[in-house]
Amino acid sequence: KAGVTQTPRYLIKTRGQQVTLSCSPISGHRSVSWYQQTPGQGLQFLFEYFSETQRNKGNFPGRFSGRQFSNSRSEMNVSTLELGDSALYLCASSLVLEGEQFFGPGTRLTVL
Amino acid sequence: AQKVTQAQTEISVVEKEDVTLDCVYETRDTTYYLFWYKQPPSGELVFLIRRNSFDEQNEISGRYSWNFQKSTSSFNFTITASQVVDSAVYFCALILTGGGNKLTFGTGTQLKVEL
Repeated sequence: KAGVTQTPRYLIKTRGQQVTLSCSPISGHRSVSWYQQTPGQGLQFLFEYFSETQRNKGNFPGRFSGRQFSNSRSEMNVSTLELGDSALYLCASSLVLEGEQFFGPGTRLTVL
Repeated sequence: AQKVTQAQTEISVVEKEDVTLDCVYETRDTTYYLFWYKQPPSGELVFLIRRNSFDEQNEISGRYSWNFQKSTSSFNFTITASQVVDSAVYFCALILTGGGNKLTFGTGTQLKVEL
């Protein structure tokens, strides 16, 4: 069974640009969550989607947005990039709510 | 709001030593789930265990064991006879019942196992 896949794995952008990250969950998983990991703030929850509906949103500015498609694949978008957005962005999928989450390898975003 | 504290930032041990990673959590909710994840240098978080707040029974899986004590709000993780491959960052996390899949993570403990 294929795991969670994230594309791209690495990304370099400049301030002010926007970026879209993609996540394909494990087949059959309808819940997808996104997390940001930085050395200073650690692992922080961004948002969660279940059956195309956003269920939860973390404490991030409106520049961070996401969506989920009918096939459960999810994308997150960051507009007007700032230096502080440099981070590892992790996607996780889950079969059920409050269950174990399986993480992808992450997308390493560097903002110059 | 809930909070997870991992006071040990970094632990270094020699192979075959036993090591315990501490996790203390705070929540006003009476029902919740606790988790441990491992993050090796590759970066991908690996699920280790999920524990329901109603289940205080300790669990053992091979060299890994977990001690859940609701009275002290702790969920500690012990690795017996550590190996170099255990070197990683370990995260403790919490989900509130009804909170969907929103994990609240601790700051992690870097474990280094040396020969």
